[in-house]
Amino acid sequence: NAGVTQTPKFQVLKTGQSMTLQCAQDMNHNSMYWYRQDPGMGLRLIYYSASEGTTDKGEVPNGYNVSRLNKREFSLRLESAAPSQTSVYFCASSERRGINYGYTFGSGTRLTVV
Amino acid sequence: TQLLEQSPQFLSIQEGENLTVYCNSSSVFSSLQWYRQEPGEGPVLLVTVVTGGEVKKLKRLTFQFGDARKDSSLHITAAQPGDTGLYLCAVRHASDSWGKLQFGAGTQVVVTP
Repeated sequence: NAGVTQTPKFQVLKTGQSMTLQCAQDMNHNSMYWYRQDPGMGLRLIYYSASEGTTDKGEVPNGYNVSRLNKREFSLRLESAAPSQTSVYFCASSERRGINYGYTFGSGTRLTVV
Repeated sequence: TQLLEQSPQFLSIQEGENLTVYCNSSSVFSSLQWYRQEPGEGPVLLVTVVTGGEVKKLKRLTFQFGDARKDSSLHITAAQPGDTGLYLCAVRHASDSWGKLQFGAGTQVVVTP
């Protein structure tokens, strides 16, 4: 089925380790996003990308980097994981910017940093 | 980041009852969306509202956008167990030219048979 695919679904890291969360969409969407979801705080935007080759910081970018590898793929990297980065991470895409466009979300990556 | 509040945080009702959840802010929205999220999954878009005072219906769900475009409500008639989930509102602020979505913390709805 068409949609947004995230890998891995679960991950446990030790403090200081690094990892990359992968995201790919097959809907030919232009814009892609990374959010984190924490209890009581909703979804907070980490980074976003309007199109291939462009990325911008969102509300909570510290400790993260991103790469928009091509139109389909948008990866999120944690260079040195910290316990505060324990969260559920969601990748999303939209056809383009604009008030009428909804987001399609992946099923998330549940990350625990110990 | 502008404040976006959803209320109540949690709602537990019996099958067949009605419920209403709210989304409020002090700033003006250019558009508002409602999503539903089930455990272990990402949010799924239910509706987009753009015009102040707009009302949209999706089967037993009724969505209303406030006249001043600062608030919205979601009303479910005769709730069913399948309506159980986390209901999130998401807004595009009129001041954000890029049009990024800001999400509320959500209302957890539990419908018991």
